[in-house]
Amino acid sequence: KAGVTQTPRYLIKTRGQQVTLSCSPISGHRSVSWYQQTPGQGLQFLFEYFSETQRNKGNFPGRFSGRQFSNSRSEMNVSTLELGDSALYLCASRTGAGGRNEQYFGPGTRLTVT
Amino acid sequence: AQSVSQHNHHVILSEAASLELGCNYSYGGTVNLFWYVQYPGQHLQLLLKYFSGDPLVKGIKGFEAEFIKSKFSFNLRKPSVQWSDTAEYFCAVFSLSNDYKLSFGAGTTVTVRA
Repeated sequence: KAGVTQTPRYLIKTRGQQVTLSCSPISGHRSVSWYQQTPGQGLQFLFEYFSETQRNKGNFPGRFSGRQFSNSRSEMNVSTLELGDSALYLCASRTGAGGRNEQYFGPGTRLTVT
Repeated sequence: AQSVSQHNHHVILSEAASLELGCNYSYGGTVNLFWYVQYPGQHLQLLLKYFSGDPLVKGIKGFEAEFIKSKFSFNLRKPSVQWSDTAEYFCAVFSLSNDYKLSFGAGTTVTVRA
């Protein structure tokens, strides 16, 4: 079974621009979560989508948004980029939204904001 | 604020030494506990998990962890490390009191010297 895939793998953007990241979950997985990983803050939860509905949201500004499509693929958008948004953005999928469903992580998208 | 704490930021040890990484959490009620590992240049992958039952759980690659409910701890152990165990290790907790978000500790970098 193919793993979680994320595109693009690397991205360089300028302050003020916006960016869209894509995540394709493992086949059959209906839940997709997004995390921001930085050396200083570690892994921070952004949001989780399940069956096209946002189920949970972390403590990030409204510039961070996401959506999930009917095929469970998910996109994350960051508008008005700031230097502090430079990070590795990880996507994870799981079969369901309960706590006993382990998450499978993708390789991440490395975003650099200059 | 509720959180997940990993006591060691960086651990350096020699091959064949024993490893123990501490993890404490502050969420009450039912929790689901995980240890993830991130090898250099690779995805986050699950080492082991605890949902209920025997508090001593065994994972892949000879790792085990012990859940001590009274201490809110879930420490990771390996009796004899190898050079290939060099990686970053993350403790993670799902809790109903945290709206079933997966919260990560800051991570512990483990360097094993040959």
